[in-house]
Amino acid sequence: KQEVTQIPAALSVPEGENLVLNCSFTDSAIYNLQWFRQDPGKGLTSLLLIQSSQREQTSGRLNASLDKSSGRSTLYIAASQPGDSATYLCAVCVAGNKLTFGGGTRVLVKP
Amino acid sequence: NAGVTQTPKFRVLKTGQSMTLLCAQDMNHEYMYWYRQDPGMGLRLIHYSVGEGTTAKGEVPDGYNVSRLKKQNFLLGLESAAPSQTSVYFCASSENNEQFFGPGTRLTVL
Repeated sequence: KQEVTQIPAALSVPEGENLVLNCSFTDSAIYNLQWFRQDPGKGLTSLLLIQSSQREQTSGRLNASLDKSSGRSTLYIAASQPGDSATYLCAVCVAGNKLTFGGGTRVLVKP
Repeated sequence: NAGVTQTPKFRVLKTGQSMTLLCAQDMNHEYMYWYRQDPGMGLRLIHYSVGEGTTAKGEVPDGYNVSRLKKQNFLLGLESAAPSQTSVYFCASSENNEQFFGPGTRLTVL
């Protein structure tokens, strides 16, 4: 059974510092990996999707890497801002187009 | 495009009552999903559909039923609500293995 883990569960950084969020999964047979952002009381917003054949994906200040063989993905957020404060979730897509989610990392960026 | 919408946004039920949550998407996606999100448990898949007229069980299907009579709508039913079904429910649809989520329904069962 696929299991997805995100460590740490919570992270607090001063504004301007780079953020590094980790995601690990137990079964490398994935179709893709998605990173989401969730604000309190809100739904999930898709940030980046990395196909299984890709090594990384970039959007603005966000960069996500994927190492399928070691079962790891890392989300980098450059020059963090208070508006980046949210919970970040990773999810892997497995057979049947289904997602398995990690527990999330709650990020606080202090001004 | 409204994307994925959910109705209602909030609901309080008494134990044993029934209700239906409605999910609608205007992106013509084949796949649709229902998840629940609980503190410390993350998001878990309840049921999903790979196309109009089809449904399948996910990780935690007990106590729920679903229907996909129209491609754009996916309904989640609770026949006899229990306090353990207090949760936030999210609907999603997908195209090319990328999922798009609705804003959620917060359900409390007393």
